[in-house]
Amino acid sequence: AQSVAQPEDQVNVAEGNPLTVKCTYSVSGNPYLFWYVQYPNRGLQFLLKYITGDNLVKGSYGFEAEFNKSQTSFHLKKPSALVSDSALYFCAVSRGDNDMRFGAGTRLTVKP
Amino acid sequence: KAGVTQTPRYLIKTRGQQVTLSCSPISGHRSVSWYQQTPGQGLQFLFEYFSETQRNKGNFPGRFSGRQFSNSRSEMNVSTLELGDSALYLCASSLNSGPNSGYFGPGTRLTVL
Repeated sequence: AQSVAQPEDQVNVAEGNPLTVKCTYSVSGNPYLFWYVQYPNRGLQFLLKYITGDNLVKGSYGFEAEFNKSQTSFHLKKPSALVSDSALYFCAVSRGDNDMRFGAGTRLTVKP
Repeated sequence: KAGVTQTPRYLIKTRGQQVTLSCSPISGHRSVSWYQQTPGQGLQFLFEYFSETQRNKGNFPGRFSGRQFSNSRSEMNVSTLELGDSALYLCASSLNSGPNSGYFGPGTRLTVL
């Protein structure tokens, strides 16, 4: 079965600094990897996905993620954090269907 | 294009009752997936419906069921509610079945007393 680990419950960064939210995965076969963001009392918003192709995936709101097969990682990055990026971030993996397995989430706080 | 809508947004029920939640996907989308989000278990996949057929099912008891109508709207039903069913129920719609980006609705917050 597929699974995802987000090793950090909380990430704090200063506005303007680069941010990284970590994700590692376990899946048999080729992974389909996703990042979502959730704001308070809201559903999930899609940020980006990796299915195949370039290991560096660019997504919404200036976010990007790098797929690293040897390290089974899919870390989310942004060069310059904004206060408005503060939210709960979820990494998810699928084997190619909609049975997505989500990580526990990482709460990102960007301080002014 | 209107987004995914879920009704009701909030619901309070008592143990033993049953509840039906509704999800209207984005126009033209034929796949609807349901997820349960709780503080303890996080986000868990319930099931997916595509063209009125259940395509995948997560590891939930039979009290959780769903269906999809010909207009792609989907309902999920939970019978004999338990306290642990209190959660945010999210649905996601996508054009086809498969690894979808998932346009999620705002969710239905179910509280079981």
